[in-house]
Amino acid sequence: GAGVSQSPSNKVTEKGKDVELRCDPISGHTALYWYRQSLGQGLEFLIYFQGNSAPDKSGLPSDRFSAERTGGSVSTLTIQRTQQEDSAVYLCASSSTMGGIYEQYFGPGTRLTVT
Amino acid sequence: AQSVAQPEDQVNVAEGNPLTVKCTYSVSGNPYLFWYVQYPNRGLQFLLKYITGDNLVKGSYGFEAEFNKSQTSFHLKKPSALVSDSALYFCAVRDIRTGANNLFFGTGTRLTVIP
Repeated sequence: GAGVSQSPSNKVTEKGKDVELRCDPISGHTALYWYRQSLGQGLEFLIYFQGNSAPDKSGLPSDRFSAERTGGSVSTLTIQRTQQEDSAVYLCASSSTMGGIYEQYFGPGTRLTVT
Repeated sequence: AQSVAQPEDQVNVAEGNPLTVKCTYSVSGNPYLFWYVQYPNRGLQFLLKYITGDNLVKGSYGFEAEFNKSQTSFHLKKPSALVSDSALYFCAVRDIRTGANNLFFGTGTRLTVIP
């Protein structure tokens, strides 16, 4: 079946602009995660959605970062007033959470470059 | 506090030889441990997990890992390396600091299999 998809695959933006990154999780997966992969920080958790519950935003690095998940499926990560330190690969993952701790399946990522 | 250590940034092994990628962890309570692999310009792919049960876990592509509670280790192994195994490998634990079941990753180990 189809895996997690993300768009765009690459995004170049100017400092100060806003960007939106999209994630389509695996159909039926109720949990959705955003991570950031950068040279200096490794892989960092950003935000978690579980069904229709309020998201866990504990990993967001600043209030310039926000995310939403519509209809329990597609998610959009928005970065406002981008800074050069936001340059990274943004990875989305989804998992089934029925009955316990399950592995997460990752999308190919969006490479964001802030110039 | 929790931590995941991958003490080797780089591991080189000859094709056909056994390979080991090391991971040690420090978490409170029972650890939920995972290995992921990342090929160039691609997202992370799940290899295997340890939640409970047998200490030897078998996963995708012929990989296995052994959970050792006394040594707090979860080393990834394969009896005979292939050139196609060359990639970046991440060890991860369930992050106990949040309620999100997100993953807390090690810094990664780059495996190169030499023909």
